[in-house]
Amino acid sequence: SQKIEQNSEALNIQEGKTATLTCNYTNYSPAYLQWYRQDPGRGPVFLLLIRENEKEKRKERLKVTFDTTLKQSLFHITASQPADSATYLCAPSRNNAGNMLTFGGGTRLMVKP
Amino acid sequence: DAGITQSPRHKVTETGTPVTLRCHQTENHRYMYWYRQDPGHGLRLIHYSYGVKDTDKGEVSDGYSVSRSKTEDFLLTLESATSSQTSVYFCASRREDEQFFGPGTRLTVL
Repeated sequence: SQKIEQNSEALNIQEGKTATLTCNYTNYSPAYLQWYRQDPGRGPVFLLLIRENEKEKRKERLKVTFDTTLKQSLFHITASQPADSATYLCAPSRNNAGNMLTFGGGTRLMVKP
Repeated sequence: DAGITQSPRHKVTETGTPVTLRCHQTENHRYMYWYRQDPGHGLRLIHYSYGVKDTDKGEVSDGYSVSRSKTEDFLLTLESATSSQTSVYFCASRREDEQFFGPGTRLTVL
């Protein structure tokens, strides 16, 4: 069965450093992959989408890579800030008609001042 | 925000009672989704809708039904609630490839 793995342990980094979060998937061939941010007690918020024919996508301090050979996506936040502290979810999709997303369990990021 | 609201935001009910959760969106999005989020499982799709009266099952649909009589409203019903359905429920709607989530409903089944 398809499996999406994100590091379930919290990632603690110092303000100003680059945070790198990993999303690995198996038994799955997504056409694209999305990253969402979720704050405690709130619904996820869309951040970035990267398609299978794209190696890298950037948006402000965010960068996402997508390696279909390694079956992995990396999510980077440069010059991290305490306000970046949240849980980050990856969600691959096969580009099916319903745009059904399968979410990973998320990685909690803590940025310390 | 895409204007998605959920009601109620919190509910405590007893095993065996019916429960209906409501999702309302003001963006005229065609697609809407219901997810549940549990520790250790992440977000899992329950049902989704691709138009008025058009719905389909997701990954964990057993014990749930949905209805969509208007574009803006998507209802999730637990016909006979069980303790295993204690969870946080999120509704979402879709514009192009992006999903917009509501604030969630915390449901406790005693």
